[in-house]
Amino acid sequence: KAGVTQTPRYLIKTRGQQVTLSCSPISGHRSVSWYQQTPGQGLQFLFEYFSETQRNKGNFPGRFSGRQFSNSRSEMNVSTLELGDSALYLCASRVRGDTEAFFGQGTRLTVV
Amino acid sequence: EDQVTQSPEALRLQEGESSSLNCSYTVSGLRGLFWYRQDPGKGPEFLFTLYSAGEEKEKERLKATLTKKESFLHITAPKPEDSATYLCAVQDYGQNFVFGPGTRLSVLP
Repeated sequence: KAGVTQTPRYLIKTRGQQVTLSCSPISGHRSVSWYQQTPGQGLQFLFEYFSETQRNKGNFPGRFSGRQFSNSRSEMNVSTLELGDSALYLCASRVRGDTEAFFGQGTRLTVV
Repeated sequence: EDQVTQSPEALRLQEGESSSLNCSYTVSGLRGLFWYRQDPGKGPEFLFTLYSAGEEKEKERLKATLTKKESFLHITAPKPEDSATYLCAVQDYGQNFVFGPGTRLSVLP
């Protein structure tokens, strides 16, 4: 059974640019969550999508947005990148909202 | 607001030296407590889910326990390959998911 797939694995962007990250969940999983992980702040929740609807949102600025498609694949977009957005972005999928989350390998974003 | 703290921040053990990691939590209503292991540069790997006080789960050298205020991850006779960061997370009935800062475990041969 394939795990959660995130693309790309590594990304370097310049301040002010925008970026789109992709996540393909485990087959049959309808919930996809996104997290930002930095050494200083740990794992911080960005948002969760279930059946194409955003169900929960963390405390991040509006520059961070996401969406989920009918096949449960999800994308996350960050506009007007700042140096502080450099982090490991992790996607996790669950069968539904109350089950354990399975994580992808993450996308390492570096903003220069 | 849900909160999770973990202690110690870092732990260094000799191979075979058993110990425990602590996860203390404050949550409006606990739906589940989760333990993950994370290796550097990789995504967290699911280990256990605990739902109610008194529950215990085991996997190889790891055993997780849960009380009303905290959870422990006991590591028995650890090996160097157990070196990783161990993360604890809680989920409330609003399905909010909050992670702790983690414990960095190093097991020396």
